[in-house]
Amino acid sequence: DTAVSQTPKYLVTQMGNDKSIKCEQNLGHDTMYWYKQDSKKFLKIMFSYNNKELIINETVPNRFSPKSPDKAHLNLHINSLELGDSAVYFCASSQRSRAETQYFGPGTRLLVL
Amino acid sequence: QKEVEQDPGPLSVPEGAIVSLNCTYSNSAFQYFMWYRQYSRKGPELLMYTYSSGNKEDGRFTAQVDKSSKYISLFIRDSQPSDSATYLCAMSGTNAGKSTFGDGTTLTVKP
Repeated sequence: DTAVSQTPKYLVTQMGNDKSIKCEQNLGHDTMYWYKQDSKKFLKIMFSYNNKELIINETVPNRFSPKSPDKAHLNLHINSLELGDSAVYFCASSQRSRAETQYFGPGTRLLVL
Repeated sequence: QKEVEQDPGPLSVPEGAIVSLNCTYSNSAFQYFMWYRQYSRKGPELLMYTYSSGNKEDGRFTAQVDKSSKYISLFIRDSQPSDSATYLCAMSGTNAGKSTFGDGTTLTVKP
């Protein structure tokens, strides 16, 4: 059973397009996160939701909009994709009271051409 | 200057060697210290975390935190080829969910 799953695994698209990435966790956690990992493996938090409420919102362009329909799902919509958005996007989850223990998904590799 | 600096590597060792992976940090508010292992084309996997200073051991892995020096280490004893991966240190303050990561050290253990 996959604990944290993401779809799609790979995404290749043209500049200017809009795309979405979906994440689901079946661990019963109440907090979910989006991270971006660049080509040099640097991992940076973008957003975090707790029970559908946005609790971490780092300096990210407005083109990125997270949405959490329920505590088991967190989606990321990206408008007007740019070349610099090419990266691996990871979803993670945890209990808010145990936020130091996060479980990561397999990642979505986004390539913007 | 970055808040978290990690020894860049890459690191290549023979099987059975003791490996030392290190990070320094500048933010004295950090209280949680994590080590993640990331295999190629996979998501990071939490290996260990430590709260505040001290040592923590889990099998062949030992995490050390020295808050006075703002220095953390991960030691791997009897390293195995299966330990070949990128190791990421991460730290956070009172908001444990808001971690700052190091750049990662890629380790190769040769049989």
